[in-house]
Amino acid sequence: DIQMTQSSSSFSVSLGDRVTITCKASEDIYNRLAWYQQKPGNAPRLLISGATSLETGVPSRFSGSGSGKDYTLSITSLQTEDVATYYCQQYWSTPPTFGGGTKLEIK
Amino acid sequence: EIQLQQSGPELMKPGASVKISCKASGYSFTSYYMHWVKQSHGKSLEWIGYIDPFNGGTSYNQKFKGKATLTVDKSSSTAYMHLSSLTSEDSAVYYCARGNYPFAYWGQGTLVTVSA
Repeated sequence: DIQMTQSSSSFSVSLGDRVTITCKASEDIYNRLAWYQQKPGNAPRLLISGATSLETGVPSRFSGSGSGKDYTLSITSLQTEDVATYYCQQYWSTPPTFGGGTKLEIK
Repeated sequence: EIQLQQSGPELMKPGASVKISCKASGYSFTSYYMHWVKQSHGKSLEWIGYIDPFNGGTSYNQKFKGKATLTVDKSSSTAYMHLSSLTSEDSAVYYCARGNYPFAYWGQGTLVTVSA
């Protein structure tokens, strides 16, 4: 199975900050990388697919980048509603696997 | 509007079995695989497997073989997951999610609690 590692399990951030969350795969996943946002009590919400493609309705302050094994989710100017846990997922190979999550908290 | 409506929370005894449901609406049920994902409390997400509602074909994560059984009822556009021989390790929220990859549509989750 491909292991997905999110280097930070939590971040303490300020409103308006630029936030970068990283995700590293144990092997090349050829941009088959998705980012999800999850708020307490809710199902995950798909933000980005194919490493860089923003889903309809997702604010443009979210962006994704990366290739090979290394991927990044960026949020410019963090808003209150962005406080959540973020997960990466690879879907290059079966089983699809998720990172451990990165929880954003307000300072 | 595409919706996946899951059944309610379950409180089960160790050793029991449970069957949770996921009713799909707003799209052609047989055109997309239905996936199931486990989230233990405060933990990350684990893919359990998928079922092809068109022909009933399944694929399971090796970790969940023997634990989870996926079925569908095409007449009611409902997918089911049966979990057997429950232990405390099976206490979690279980989600259904519509294929293709990645998962754009999720059910609201079903909490399964296993406790004596």
